[in-house]
Amino acid sequence: GAVVSQHPSRVICKSGTSVKIECRSLDFQATTMFWYRQFPKKSLMLMATSNEGSKATYEQGVEKDKFLINHASLTLSTLTVTSAHPEDSSFYICSASLAGGPYEQFFGPGTRLTVL
Amino acid sequence: GQNIDQPTEMTATEGAIVQINCTYQTSGFNGLFWYQQHAGEAPTFLSYNVLDGLEEKGRFSSFLSRSKGYSYLLLKELQMKDSASYLCAVRDPYSSASKIIFGSGTRLSIRP
Repeated sequence: GAVVSQHPSRVICKSGTSVKIECRSLDFQATTMFWYRQFPKKSLMLMATSNEGSKATYEQGVEKDKFLINHASLTLSTLTVTSAHPEDSSFYICSASLAGGPYEQFFGPGTRLTVL
Repeated sequence: GQNIDQPTEMTATEGAIVQINCTYQTSGFNGLFWYQQHAGEAPTFLSYNVLDGLEEKGRFSSFLSRSKGYSYLLLKELQMKDSASYLCAVRDPYSSASKIIFGSGTRLSIRP
């Protein structure tokens, strides 16, 4: 099956620092990757859609300068939380869909970010 | 816009059957997903319906009625490990990028 990995799985950082999260599709090419944010006991909130080789499309209310997304290859997308603050603490999940394939999204295991 | 509704919480007994409903009001429709998510983990795919009717997969079944904007997930022979959140999601018909919109999720608790 299609496998998506995320790294790191957990990160704790000081306020004001930047954190980079990687999302990789391990055994398939993904022209599109998605970044979600999830608060405790809440559903997934789509932050942005990341297309290989082009700028990401951000959802309304998501600051593109705060959450930098790069999709440099068909198997890697990165999310950088810049100048992180405690309110950025959350569970960040990426997903990928198969290029030219069915509609299912395959999710990574998530990254727990804690900003002190 | 898209609006997806499902109950916030449900409780059921081990060995029983439970039905989790989902209603949606969207400007278009191009498929409905059900995902299971255990606490602290990523969602895992359960089912995908694009045509009306029932799709059965082992202990789990999913039903769709496009005219009513309605779906349900049926879980049979409940096991303790089925305690999780169940997310209903609709594919955005105006997105060429397989974008899907999630409902708020239903937290299912299984009691012995």
